[in-house]
Amino acid sequence: DSGVTQTPKHLITATGQRVTLRCSPRSGDLSVYWYQQSLDQGLQFLIQYYNGEERAKGNILERFSAQQFPDLHSELNLSSLELGDSALYFCASSVWGGDDTQYFGPGTRLTVL
Amino acid sequence: KNEVEQSPQNLTAQEGEFITINCSYSVGISALHWLQQHPGGGIVSLFMLSSGKKKHGRLIATINIQEKHSSLHITASHPRDSAVYICAVRWGGSEKLVFGKGMKLTVNP
Repeated sequence: DSGVTQTPKHLITATGQRVTLRCSPRSGDLSVYWYQQSLDQGLQFLIQYYNGEERAKGNILERFSAQQFPDLHSELNLSSLELGDSALYFCASSVWGGDDTQYFGPGTRLTVL
Repeated sequence: KNEVEQSPQNLTAQEGEFITINCSYSVGISALHWLQQHPGGGIVSLFMLSSGKKKHGRLIATINIQEKHSSLHITASHPRDSAVYICAVRWGGSEKLVFGKGMKLTVNP
């Protein structure tokens, strides 16, 4: 158990819908990362937050947004969902960022029908 | 072309064999990470390297900065080592990790 929790574990929804994925980092970790893992693209970095502020942005679509709250939990919002958004979404946390060890959550499996 | 290449893509070994997984990257990096993804999907960070070599139990990771290449070695492999091993790199000035496509290892008893 990494200490990072993600909810829900599974999510099935329809095209055009909006969903919110939630992540609680390990106690004391200030950085939260979001990753997408699809069969054809592998793991891709989406976005990083540090202590409530956006720190780095990767291949995140404009339909996706995220935020980190004062209690350091983070949410990833996915809207106008398309079939191609079906993937595993991982959250990870680390103490500071940079090359600190990242601790991964169990992931949320999103299926868009 | 992916900026991070891993080889082989799949590997099947017998228990006890010495295994090497390779990772190459296209330009100079700040650090390289090795991750393990279990069959159930969970991901664990194994090593972070910026130079030299690190060892943890039966796992050894090395990096050659000049050749832009890293290897992950598993000694005395065991069926529980069966997983996907993923290499990721970070370039200086960026927090972003760029991942290889992973190598699926199966160790048979």
